[in-house]
Amino acid sequence: GIQVEQSPPDLILQEGANSTLRCNFSDSVNNLQWFHQNPWGQLINLFYIPSGTKQNGRLSATTVATERYSLLYISSSQTTDSGVYFCAVGRDDKIIFGKGTRLHILP
Amino acid sequence: DVKVTQSSRYLVKRTGEKVFLECVQDMDHENMFWYRQDPGLGLRLIYFSYDVKMKEKGDIPEGYSVSREKKERFSLILESASTNQTSMYLCASSLSGEVTGRHGETQYFGPGTRLLVL
Repeated sequence: GIQVEQSPPDLILQEGANSTLRCNFSDSVNNLQWFHQNPWGQLINLFYIPSGTKQNGRLSATTVATERYSLLYISSSQTTDSGVYFCAVGRDDKIIFGKGTRLHILP
Repeated sequence: DVKVTQSSRYLVKRTGEKVFLECVQDMDHENMFWYRQDPGLGLRLIYFSYDVKMKEKGDIPEGYSVSREKKERFSLILESASTNQTSMYLCASSLSGEVTGRHGETQYFGPGTRLLVL
């Protein structure tokens, strides 16, 4: 099956810093989503981005489908950005989640 | 905004009990999903449904069953709860997509149910 790897597994940053999270996948996909799970466990969809680039405020994402990776950029980090970021890919009626990147933003 | 609700945030049950977890979505989505989330293992798909009365096994269906009698409601059933089913259970829904097949595009998650089986 498709393998999904996220890096780094953990990231600690000072408030105001920028960060780049990466998601690599092992085969072609027709669905790619980025999620943020807050400390209370709620998963929020950030982007549906099987290819191309999207921006939403301080967050943006780019997927290069031909090279099988996606990047999530967070600029001017805030403490509310803390939590775990998941990448999920889908193909042939299957969705596979990566193990996530745990982000800590220090005040 | 899409709203996905789950019947309980926290649940404590005893080994051998029958457990029902309910999920309701209010956006007329065709697809609904049940996942469990465990430390170090991430999210794993238990079952999903792409239409009323339809269900398909995910990656870890053993010990679980599901019911979808109405489009908006998807229930997860633990027939005889065991301690290894202690976990966080997450429900999600999505619209079907022509390109993305039955899993659809954007998934919307409920707040989760933390189940402890003693």
